[in-house]
Amino acid sequence: SQQGEEDPQALSIQEGENATMNCSYKTSINNLQWYRQNSGRGLVHLILIRSNEREKHSGRLRVTLDTSKKSSSLLITASRAADTASYFCATVLQGAQKLVFGQGTRLTINP
Amino acid sequence: DAGVIQSPRHEVTEMGQEVTLRCKPISGHDYLFWYRQTMMRGLELLIYFNNNVPIDDSGMPEDRFSAKMPNASFSTLKIQPSEPRDSAVYFCASSDPGQGNYGYTFGSGTRLTVV
Repeated sequence: SQQGEEDPQALSIQEGENATMNCSYKTSINNLQWYRQNSGRGLVHLILIRSNEREKHSGRLRVTLDTSKKSSSLLITASRAADTASYFCATVLQGAQKLVFGQGTRLTINP
Repeated sequence: DAGVIQSPRHEVTEMGQEVTLRCKPISGHDYLFWYRQTMMRGLELLIYFNNNVPIDDSGMPEDRFSAKMPNASFSTLKIQPSEPRDSAVYFCASSDPGQGNYGYTFGSGTRLTVV
């Protein structure tokens, strides 16, 4: 079964706008990670946030984590056409090493 | 480093045939994972290894699936006999959490079609 659930399932915005994707999970985690997948390609690791962190930045990416609500969000600022992809959150459960992925959000950036 | 290398990129086979997927992890990474991706079920973890030893194979669908890691630089996922419902993209990934690198590096995947 899936640990993480992304919301929305699909998002379409204009280039230059900000894109926000949300992820909820069910059980206690060690860390939460976000990945990008371009059509027909493998997944690329974007950013990791540990359970004791609340916010993290990497370039145009901002990730937040609320362990009390068991939720995370990924914000992409000043979106570009090249950001068009599927975005997945994945959790590493406490005491385990394996990543469990959500179903993903399909992001489309319109020029 | 060339990253995680998977072969073949595409495989089309007839039902009942044996299929072998191959993976070369990043040198020095001591964890290796096999995932399967379908539209219906998303990304599913099939099995993972630590230092060449299988740790969790609870995601392997059934006895038709087997995985091996004979050494630190090579792993195989075998399906025998293959069925049309095995059609999916199979990904291999590796990681090195001992160095604080908890992110996974994925290969480009093998797209398997069983007809």
